[in-house]
Amino acid sequence: AQSVTQLGSHVSVSEGALVLLRCNYSSSVPPYLFWYVQYPNQGLQLLLKYTTGATLVKGINGFEAEFKKSETSFHLTKPSAHMSDAAEYFCAVTLSSGSARQLTFGSGTQLTVLP
Amino acid sequence: ETGVTQTPRHLVMGMTNKKSLKCEQHLGHNAMYWYKQSAKKPLELMFVYSLEERVENNSVPSRFSPECPNSSHLFLHLHTLQPEDSALYLCASSPRTGYGYTFGSGTRLTVV
Repeated sequence: AQSVTQLGSHVSVSEGALVLLRCNYSSSVPPYLFWYVQYPNQGLQLLLKYTTGATLVKGINGFEAEFKKSETSFHLTKPSAHMSDAAEYFCAVTLSSGSARQLTFGSGTQLTVLP
Repeated sequence: ETGVTQTPRHLVMGMTNKKSLKCEQHLGHNAMYWYKQSAKKPLELMFVYSLEERVENNSVPSRFSPECPNSSHLFLHLHTLQPEDSALYLCASSPRTGYGYTFGSGTRLTVV
């Protein structure tokens, strides 16, 4: 079984400031971890993913995330926020093995970028 | 365009109507999914199909009826819905279950 917790349902940052969106997971086997972004009235778009290998993964639009097994975390960061980053962000986890894998999502974090 | 197409984009229906949502993918994926996204709630997995067989049904009311005639198409048949069923319904596909999801843009359903 697996679960995801996103800390903070709403995060506001100023344009140009650091973006940090938090995600913690629990998983019975090594996880695969994902971040998705959703713009209004759109589906979810994959930002980045961690499966195996390098723990720091880079995604689209300047985002990156680091898998920290000891902290069971996969926080999303971007050095400098842009107005176009305003959206809802979802962290998700699936198991790396097993016959009943499914993608489990966190509750989402709404990012607001202030001018 | 993500490769997963959902139609219609918007749907308003009465509680006694029957309608269907359609999802189509040409990515060569073997698994397809329906998710429900309501305001202020996490994404809810409704149904999972793998190689056209339903492998997951998360206690969804019978007024929602999925159909997967082939690996490229997925339908969600709706009848006698309730106002609380109003939501964004998202379709996704993946090469295999649990990994590499591609989402459609969703159908915004309003039940009146």
